Amino acid sequence: AQKITQTQPGMFVQEKEAVTLDCTYDTSDQSYGLFWYKQPSSGEMIFLIYQGSYDEQNATEGRYSLNFQKARKSANLVISASQLGDSAMYFCAMRDREGSSASKIIFGSGTRLSIRP
Amino acid sequence: NAGVTQTPKFQVLKTGQSMTLQCAQDMNHEYMSWYRQDPGMGLRLIHYSVGAGITDQGEVPNGYNVSRSTTEDFPLRLLSAAPSQTSVYFCASSYSRTGFNEKLFFGSGTQLSVL
Repeated sequence: AQKITQTQPGMFVQEKEAVTLDCTYDTSDQSYGLFWYKQPSSGEMIFLIYQGSYDEQNATEGRYSLNFQKARKSANLVISASQLGDSAMYFCAMRDREGSSASKIIFGSGTRLSIRP
Repeated sequence: NAGVTQTPKFQVLKTGQSMTLQCAQDMNHEYMSWYRQDPGMGLRLIHYSVGAGITDQGEVPNGYNVSRSTTEDFPLRLLSAAPSQTSVYFCASSYSRTGFNEKLFFGSGTQLSVL
């Protein structure tokens, strides 16, 4: 069955430091996609980065990169040079088919990141 | 660009009342879904749809009904509201129902309180 696990409910990081948010997943599918979303205090959901299961390179988007370790079923988000505006909830998500003809997306429980000035 | 529009933004219900959360998208997206967000639980999938006339259950479907009569609309119905349904509800859509790289576009959310 699909499952996403985020084991860090909350993290505090000093401004300008790098931070890694953990995400592990479980699926029986060979083809799937992994996503990270950011939810600031305003409540909107903002897409950050995507990694496909067959992508050989780790995905990068500006200060965001995804440390994808397929054998370990982990997809950690790395934020380099953190900024005060990075303070938010971060959700890991996975899209797969689980034997169906269509795919659906499930989310982890989230990590609340707080950046200290 | 309207994107995904959810109404209402806030709602207070009494136990046993019924209501419908509205969701509409103007991007011709095949896939639409409803999530609820609770503290410590993340976003949990309630129901999803891969096209007009096709719906399926997610992780927490009990107490909720959906239908998809058009590509644009995907309403979520609470037939008899319970305090356990107090939550923030998000509607989200994506262009394709099969693509693994299809990200979700989210509505702004509905904060529902059931007293």
